[in-house]
Amino acid sequence: DAGVTQSPTHLIKTRGQQVTLRCSPKSGHDTVSWYQQALGQGPQFIFQYYEEEERQRGNFPDRFSGHQFPNYSSELNVNALLLGDSALYLCASSPKLGVQETQYFGPGTRLLVL
Amino acid sequence: AQSVSQHNHHVILSEAASLELGCNYSYGGTVNLFWYVQYPGQHLQLLLKYFSGDPLVKGIKGFEAEFIKSKFSFNLRKPSVQWSDTAEYFCAVKAGYSSASKIIFGSGTRLSIRP
Repeated sequence: DAGVTQSPTHLIKTRGQQVTLRCSPKSGHDTVSWYQQALGQGPQFIFQYYEEEERQRGNFPDRFSGHQFPNYSSELNVNALLLGDSALYLCASSPKLGVQETQYFGPGTRLLVL
Repeated sequence: AQSVSQHNHHVILSEAASLELGCNYSYGGTVNLFWYVQYPGQHLQLLLKYFSGDPLVKGIKGFEAEFIKSKFSFNLRKPSVQWSDTAEYFCAVKAGYSSASKIIFGSGTRLSIRP
C-alpha cells in the first residue's frame, strides 16, 4: 500500500517563473493538505482540498493556488516565483474530512528559486 | 492567532539519558495535539497524538506525551534515548472542532544523541 507520493523530488526555477508540484494521497484518503517548510522551520499550512474544493487556507498570497482531481490527487501551483519561495513543499493526506483525522506526509518536493 | 512554541531549538544528549521536549500552544478551546518526527533524509512521521481521554498518550518507539490543559502544554518524553532517536521533532496543534481546522506546527527541536 503506497503512502503519499510527491513529484518531482527536486526542482530548480528562476525568479518570475511558475511551478507545478504534484501529490498522490495515501490509498483510502480523500483530503489533501499542502505545507511549506523553510529551512530550519516547521511546516506552514498553505491550503487544504476536499471534494475538489479548497476548504481552508493559510496566510499565503494568491500566487499560491491548487487543484484537486476526481481521483483525489492534487497539484500546487506557484506563480511569479520569488527567492523566498525556496523551501520544501510537503503534501499530507488524511481520511474523509473529519474532526479527528490524522495527516500522513509525503517526502516533499524541494524547490530552489534562483 | 493560534501558535505553537517549542522552546528548545537544539538538544544534545548522551545515549540512555532521559528526554523531555517542551511544547506550548496558545488556544483556549478544544485542541487535538500531535508530535511528528523527521529522521535525517526521511519524511515527517507521526509519533503520537492526543484527541481526548487519558492525557498521557503513548506513541511509537517508547515515546509518550502528557497533555496538561491548565498549562497549555504537550511535552514529549522518553525515559532512555538511543542514538537512532537523532531527528527533528515537531509539535503540532489542530484547534477547534471544525473539520476544516488547519494544523499549526512549532518550529521544531533538533535532537542529537551522542553514542
